[in-house]
Amino acid sequence: AQSVTQLDSHVSVSEGTPVLLRCNYSSSYSPSLFWYVQHPNKGLQLLLKYTSAATLVKGINGFEAEFKKSETSFHLTKPSAHMSDAAEYFCVVSDRAGGFKTIFGAGTRLFVKA
Amino acid sequence: EAQVTQNPRYLITVTGKKLTVTCSQNMNHEYMSWYRQDPGLGLRQIYYSMNVEVTDKGDVPEGYKVSRKEKRNFPLILESPSPNQTSLYFCASSPAAGTPEQFFGPGTRLTVL
Repeated sequence: AQSVTQLDSHVSVSEGTPVLLRCNYSSSYSPSLFWYVQHPNKGLQLLLKYTSAATLVKGINGFEAEFKKSETSFHLTKPSAHMSDAAEYFCVVSDRAGGFKTIFGAGTRLFVKA
Repeated sequence: EAQVTQNPRYLITVTGKKLTVTCSQNMNHEYMSWYRQDPGLGLRQIYYSMNVEVTDKGDVPEGYKVSRKEKRNFPLILESPSPNQTSLYFCASSPAAGTPEQFFGPGTRLTVL
Protein backbone atom coordinates (compact mmCIF):
# COMPACT_ATOMS: atom_id res chain seq x y z
CA ALA A 1 0.00 0.00 0.00
CA GLN A 2 1.07 3.52 -0.66
CA SER A 3 2.00 5.90 2.12
CA VAL A 4 3.77 9.20 2.56
CA THR A 5 5.56 10.45 5.66
CA GLN A 6 6.67 14.03 6.00
CA LEU A 7 9.21 13.88 8.74
CA ASP A 8 8.74 17.40 10.10
CA SER A 9 5.43 19.08 10.84
CA HIS A 10 7.17 22.47 11.16
CA VAL A 11 10.45 23.83 9.81
CA SER A 12 11.82 27.26 10.65
CA VAL A 13 14.67 28.89 8.71
CA SER A 14 16.14 32.34 8.40
CA GLU A 15 15.81 34.26 5.17
CA GLY A 16 18.72 33.48 2.87
CA THR A 17 19.51 30.09 4.42
CA PRO A 18 18.85 26.69 2.82
CA VAL A 19 15.55 24.89 3.07
CA LEU A 20 15.17 21.12 3.52
CA LEU A 21 11.73 19.52 3.76
CA ARG A 22 11.88 15.76 4.17
CA CYS A 23 9.57 13.18 2.64
CA ASN A 24 9.67 9.38 2.69
CA TYR A 25 7.26 7.26 0.71
CA SER A 26 6.15 3.69 0.36
CA SER A 27 5.00 2.33 -2.98
CA SER A 28 4.85 -1.06 -4.62
CA TYR A 29 5.66 0.14 -8.10
CA SER A 30 7.49 3.03 -9.66
CA PRO A 31 5.64 5.93 -8.15
CA SER A 32 4.84 9.38 -9.36
CA LEU A 33 5.88 11.85 -6.68
CA PHE A 34 4.93 15.49 -6.29
CA TRP A 35 5.43 18.47 -4.06
CA TYR A 36 2.59 20.97 -3.73
CA VAL A 37 2.60 24.29 -1.89
CA GLN A 38 -0.32 25.96 -0.18
CA HIS A 39 -0.04 29.58 0.87
CA PRO A 40 -2.33 30.77 3.68
CA ASN A 41 -5.97 30.81 2.62
CA LYS A 42 -5.05 29.75 -0.89
CA GLY A 43 -5.45 26.65 -3.01
CA LEU A 44 -2.70 24.21 -3.89
CA GLN A 45 -0.03 24.83 -6.47
CA LEU A 46 2.26 22.23 -8.03
CA LEU A 47 5.94 22.90 -7.24
CA LEU A 48 7.49 19.95 -9.04
CA LYS A 49 6.95 16.33 -10.05
CA TYR A 50 8.90 13.13 -10.54
CA THR A 51 7.57 10.59 -13.04
CA SER A 52 10.50 8.20 -13.68
CA ALA A 53 12.67 10.51 -15.74
CA ALA A 54 15.64 12.37 -14.21
CA THR A 55 15.99 11.74 -10.49
CA LEU A 56 16.83 15.38 -9.74
CA VAL A 57 13.76 17.40 -10.46
CA LYS A 58 13.70 21.16 -10.72
CA GLY A 59 10.54 23.07 -9.96
CA ILE A 60 9.27 26.59 -9.73
CA ASN A 61 10.64 29.33 -7.48
CA GLY A 62 14.08 27.72 -7.16
CA PHE A 63 12.90 24.51 -5.50
CA GLU A 64 14.20 21.10 -6.42
CA ALA A 65 13.85 17.53 -5.18
CA GLU A 66 15.83 14.36 -5.58
CA PHE A 67 14.24 10.95 -5.96
CA LYS A 68 16.29 8.34 -4.09
CA LYS A 69 14.82 4.90 -4.61
CA SER A 70 17.24 3.15 -2.23
CA GLU A 71 16.20 5.49 0.56
CA THR A 72 12.56 5.82 -0.58
CA SER A 73 12.92 9.54 -0.16
CA PHE A 74 11.92 12.62 -2.12
CA HIS A 75 13.23 15.56 -0.11
CA LEU A 76 12.53 19.14 -1.20
CA THR A 77 15.32 21.70 -1.10
CA LYS A 78 16.00 25.31 -1.92
CA PRO A 79 19.40 26.98 -1.59
CA SER A 80 18.16 30.27 -0.17
CA ALA A 81 14.82 30.90 1.51
CA HIS A 82 12.69 33.95 0.79
CA MET A 83 9.98 35.38 2.99
CA SER A 84 7.47 34.50 0.28
CA ASP A 85 8.31 30.80 0.71
CA ALA A 86 6.47 30.71 4.04
CA ALA A 87 3.64 28.25 3.39
CA GLU A 88 2.59 24.68 3.90
CA TYR A 89 4.19 22.03 1.70
CA PHE A 90 2.75 18.65 0.82
CA CYS A 91 4.54 15.59 -0.51
CA VAL A 92 2.27 13.41 -2.65
CA VAL A 93 2.53 9.90 -4.11
CA SER A 94 0.43 8.10 -6.69
CA ASP A 95 0.93 4.90 -8.62
CA ARG A 96 -0.87 2.29 -10.64
CA ALA A 97 -0.69 -0.27 -7.84
CA GLY A 98 -2.77 2.06 -5.72
CA GLY A 99 -5.46 2.23 -8.37
CA PHE A 100 -4.47 5.79 -9.09
CA LYS A 101 -5.36 6.92 -5.61
CA THR A 102 -3.50 10.01 -4.54
CA ILE A 103 -1.93 10.01 -1.10
CA PHE A 104 -0.89 13.26 0.56
CA GLY A 105 1.54 13.62 3.40
CA ALA A 106 0.36 15.47 6.51
CA GLY A 107 2.21 18.59 5.44
CA THR A 108 5.18 20.62 6.62
CA ARG A 109 4.67 24.22 7.56
CA LEU A 110 7.67 26.36 6.63
CA PHE A 111 8.37 29.49 8.64
CA VAL A 112 10.89 32.01 7.30
CA LYS A 113 12.41 34.50 9.75
CA ALA A 114 13.69 37.88 8.62
CA GLU B 1 -9.01 30.64 -18.57
CA ALA B 2 -8.32 27.01 -17.65
CA GLN B 3 -9.68 26.39 -14.20
CA VAL B 4 -11.50 24.24 -11.70
CA THR B 5 -14.45 25.95 -10.06
CA GLN B 6 -16.30 24.98 -6.91
CA ASN B 7 -19.54 26.24 -5.46
CA PRO B 8 -20.30 27.31 -2.88
CA ARG B 9 -17.03 28.59 -1.47
CA TYR B 10 -18.42 28.79 2.06
CA LEU B 11 -21.34 26.91 3.55
CA ILE B 12 -22.77 26.63 7.03
CA THR B 13 -25.47 24.01 7.46
CA VAL B 14 -27.10 21.85 10.11
CA THR B 15 -26.85 18.16 10.81
CA GLY B 16 -28.88 16.01 8.46
CA LYS B 17 -29.67 18.59 5.80
CA LYS B 18 -28.61 17.23 2.43
CA LEU B 19 -26.19 19.35 0.46
CA THR B 20 -24.26 19.29 -2.80
CA VAL B 21 -20.95 20.94 -3.58
CA THR B 22 -20.44 21.39 -7.29
CA CYS B 23 -17.16 21.06 -9.15
CA SER B 24 -16.57 21.89 -12.78
CA GLN B 25 -13.46 21.94 -14.97
CA ASN B 26 -13.03 23.40 -18.44
CA MET B 27 -9.86 21.58 -19.45
CA ASN B 28 -11.43 18.40 -20.85
CA HIS B 29 -9.70 16.41 -18.10
CA GLU B 30 -10.58 12.76 -17.63
CA TYR B 31 -9.57 12.39 -13.98
CA MET B 32 -11.36 14.26 -11.20
CA SER B 33 -11.13 13.92 -7.47
CA TRP B 34 -12.43 15.23 -4.16
CA TYR B 35 -10.33 15.80 -1.03
CA ARG B 36 -10.92 17.05 2.44
CA GLN B 37 -8.27 18.94 4.35
CA ASP B 38 -8.08 18.83 8.13
CA PRO B 39 -5.35 20.29 10.36
CA GLY B 40 -2.47 17.89 10.89
CA LEU B 41 -3.86 15.36 8.42
CA GLY B 42 -3.02 16.91 5.07
CA LEU B 43 -5.45 16.21 2.25
CA ARG B 44 -7.32 12.93 2.19
CA GLN B 45 -8.95 11.65 -0.93
CA ILE B 46 -12.69 11.05 -0.68
CA TYR B 47 -13.60 9.82 -4.16
CA TYR B 48 -12.06 9.94 -7.58
CA SER B 49 -13.24 9.40 -11.12
CA MET B 50 -11.11 8.15 -13.97
CA ASN B 51 -13.70 9.04 -16.57
CA VAL B 52 -17.41 9.54 -17.16
CA GLU B 53 -19.51 7.01 -15.24
CA VAL B 54 -16.39 5.60 -13.55
CA THR B 55 -15.89 6.45 -9.89
CA ASP B 56 -14.02 4.83 -7.05
CA LYS B 57 -13.50 5.28 -3.35
CA GLY B 58 -10.54 7.09 -1.93
CA ASP B 59 -9.38 6.76 1.64
CA VAL B 60 -12.31 8.46 3.40
CA PRO B 61 -15.52 7.86 1.39
CA GLU B 62 -17.91 7.27 4.28
CA GLY B 63 -20.77 9.76 4.36
CA TYR B 64 -20.18 11.04 0.83
CA LYS B 65 -21.52 10.30 -2.63
CA VAL B 66 -20.36 11.41 -6.06
CA SER B 67 -21.52 11.12 -9.63
CA ARG B 68 -19.82 11.69 -12.98
CA LYS B 69 -22.51 12.01 -15.60
CA GLU B 70 -20.57 14.53 -17.67
CA LYS B 71 -16.87 14.88 -18.18
CA ARG B 72 -16.66 18.41 -16.85
CA ASN B 73 -18.72 18.02 -13.64
CA PHE B 74 -18.07 16.01 -10.50
CA PRO B 75 -20.46 17.00 -7.67
CA LEU B 76 -19.92 15.91 -4.07
CA ILE B 77 -23.08 14.99 -2.19
CA LEU B 78 -23.53 14.79 1.55
CA GLU B 79 -26.87 13.03 2.08
CA SER B 80 -26.93 13.56 5.85
CA PRO B 81 -24.10 15.80 6.97
CA SER B 82 -22.65 15.42 10.43
CA PRO B 83 -20.35 17.73 12.43
CA ASN B 84 -17.33 15.50 11.73
CA GLN B 85 -17.67 16.48 8.07
CA THR B 86 -16.82 20.06 8.92
CA SER B 87 -13.74 20.60 6.81
CA LEU B 88 -12.14 22.34 3.85
CA TYR B 89 -12.94 20.53 0.62
CA PHE B 90 -10.98 20.64 -2.61
CA CYS B 91 -11.91 19.40 -6.04
CA ALA B 92 -9.13 18.60 -8.49
CA SER B 93 -8.73 17.41 -12.05
CA SER B 94 -5.94 16.06 -14.22
CA PRO B 95 -5.61 15.09 -17.88
CA ALA B 96 -5.73 11.35 -17.21
CA ALA B 97 -5.34 8.73 -14.54
CA GLY B 98 -1.75 7.61 -14.20
CA THR B 99 -0.38 11.09 -14.71
CA PRO B 100 -2.08 12.75 -11.79
CA GLU B 101 -0.55 16.18 -11.85
CA GLN B 102 -3.65 17.76 -10.51
CA PHE B 103 -5.20 21.19 -10.84
CA PHE B 104 -7.04 22.25 -7.74
CA GLY B 105 -10.14 24.31 -7.23
CA PRO B 106 -10.21 27.17 -4.71
CA GLY B 107 -11.76 25.11 -1.93
CA THR B 108 -15.10 24.98 -0.13
CA ARG B 109 -15.18 25.60 3.59
CA LEU B 110 -18.05 23.60 5.09
CA THR B 111 -19.31 23.91 8.65
CA VAL B 112 -21.90 21.45 9.92
CA LEU B 113 -23.56 22.51 13.16
